[in-house]
Formats: sequence, C-alpha cells, structure tokens
Amino acid sequence: GAGVSQSPSNKVTEKGKDVELRCDPISGHTALYWYRQSLGQGLEFLIYFQGNSAPDKSGLPSDRFSAERTGGSVSTLTIQRTQQEDSAVYLCASSPRSWLAGSSYEQYFGPGTRLTVT
Amino acid sequence: AQSVTQLDSQVPVFEEAPVELRCNYSSSVSVYLFWYVQYPNQGLQLLLKYLSGSTLVESINGFEAEFNKSQTSFHLRKPSVHISDTAEYFCAVTYTGGFKTIFGAGTRLFVKA
Repeated sequence: GAGVSQSPSNKVTEKGKDVELRCDPISGHTALYWYRQSLGQGLEFLIYFQGNSAPDKSGLPSDRFSAERTGGSVSTLTIQRTQQEDSAVYLCASSPRSWLAGSSYEQYFGPGTRLTVT
Repeated sequence: AQSVTQLDSQVPVFEEAPVELRCNYSSSVSVYLFWYVQYPNQGLQLLLKYLSGSTLVESINGFEAEFNKSQTSFHLRKPSVHISDTAEYFCAVTYTGGFKTIFGAGTRLFVKA
C-alpha cells in the first residue's frame, strides 16, 4: 500500500515568509508525528497527534510553529515569519495504533520536506 | 532530561568485518527501544525493535541488538557487514506510558571494499 507522503519535497523561501508543509499518513494510522532533522543532528521531536488532538506541543521550537490535523488524516505544519535557523528537513511519521492500545509502536516515515530559508 | 547517546558519529569498516554501533539512553525506567536505518537518498525505516521479552532482537538482514537494562544500552551489531549496509543508523527510545520518541544523533556506517 501507499506509504507516508509529504509535500513539497523541497521548499525554498525568503526570510520572513510563511510556509506550509503537508503530510499524508498511511491510511488508518491514528498517530502522527512531526520531526525536524538539521544537518548533522538527530531527529528533533516537534509534535504528536493522536487522531486530531495534539497532547503535547512542547517540542515546537517557538510560537511561529503550529500544526493541525483534520479528519484524523492529513496534517499541516505551518511556520510563520521563517528564519534562516528554520532551514532543515522536516519529517512526518505515522504509527498504526494509539499508545493506549499499546501493541504497535513503530513509526513509518515519509521522505521529508527540505526547507531552505534564504 | 531524557536523552539518547550514540557514541560514534561515523564508523568506517571493511566489508565482511564485524561492527558494533553503540547506543545508550538516560533512564532505566521501562522503555521501548528501536533502531532505524536511513539508506542514501531514502527515508527512515525501522530496522528492529525491543518491546518486551527476549533481550536479544534480530532483523531480517543479519543485524541484532541486545537490551541491557543495567547499562541502559541497546547496541547494534552485525558479525559480517556488506557494502549495502552503508547507511545512517539511528537509535530511538520511547518511555512506556508516553508517546514521545527520543532519537540519537545517528551513526554513519561506511562499509569499504
């Protein structure tokens, strides 16, 4: 079946502009994650959705970052007034079960969106 | 704070040699442990996982990892590597009862002919 897809694959934007990054999870996956991967760094957790709810937004680096998920499916990560330090690869992952159900924890990753802020 | 440490940023090794990629995490409370692999120009994919039961887990391509609770480690090993194993390997930890997964910084494995 189809995997996690993300769009756009590459985005170049000018400092100060807003950007929207989209994630389509695997159908039926209730959990969705956003991460940021900067050059030479590991994955930085940004936010987690269970259904349409985000129990923990503490990973978002500033109030310029926001995310939403609608219909328990597609998610959008929005960065307002982009800064050069926002340049990174933004990864989305989905997982088939809720943590409360407890039996499946692995995450399936999309190819990422490479964001470059000039 | 919870953290995952991958002690080696790069590991060069000759083909058919053994390799160990080290991973330590910060807490000894109950955890789920993962290794993910990212091949060149590809996305991250699960290599193997430890949830419970036997502390030694294996992947389909010959890697294995052992959960050591007392040392809070989950080192990845392969007795004989192939050129095709060249990739970046990420160790990840989820603390049971939570949902946040903490990733290490990654280890680049270079397999040379």
